[in-house]
Amino acid sequence: GQQVQQSPTSLVLQEGENAELQCNFSTSLNSMQWFYQRPGGSLISVFYNPSGTKQSGRLTSTTVIKERRSSLHISSSQITDSGTYLCAMGMNYNQGKLIFGQGTKLSIKP
Amino acid sequence: DPKIIQKPKYLVAVTGSEKILICEQYLGHNAMYWYRQSAKKPLEFMFSYSYQKLMDNQTASSRFQPQSSKKNHLDLQITALKPDDSATYFCASSPDWGDAETLYFGSGTRLTVL
Repeated sequence: GQQVQQSPTSLVLQEGENAELQCNFSTSLNSMQWFYQRPGGSLISVFYNPSGTKQSGRLTSTTVIKERRSSLHISSSQITDSGTYLCAMGMNYNQGKLIFGQGTKLSIKP
Repeated sequence: DPKIIQKPKYLVAVTGSEKILICEQYLGHNAMYWYRQSAKKPLEFMFSYSYQKLMDNQTASSRFQPQSSKKNHLDLQITALKPDDSATYFCASSPDWGDAETLYFGSGTRLTVL
């Protein structure tokens, strides 16, 4: 079964609304990251957050190891936030080997 | 300027042919990786290299062969191409092997096998 589950699969919001993206892991978590991917584009690391809460501007990531989950909160969403958000967990013996979720496609409408 | 260059950006191949995907990084990193993203599956790890040595191989098929001629190069040779190989292939690098916190991705090569 899939080790990393993301929800929702897609999310459509009006500009200014808040977005909440979830990631659940089926195995013990060693490290995790959130990536942003533009349509047809590369991946950009948004947060490296193995545990606890991190904030950067309008983005906040919270990882709860015991519960094997992580969330990404985007406040006051903007059109430029549109794209796909991927979460990934790092393997214990090789954290450069990431196991990715299917992604959440976020669309922000004006 | 992009620090990880992947060439070509788009590639169309016929079944049974062979192609080489190019990756060069100018970040001074010691570790490089290949990932694949297909329409039906999440982004998946393929290979990792450290100082031009293979460290981890999660690709079952020997048709996929990484080639590292220089420390900052990690090309991917794919032989006997199949339609199922159609995907976007991403190269990535990090300062050292296993350093996920500073993992950078290239913009990918989108391969279509007809």
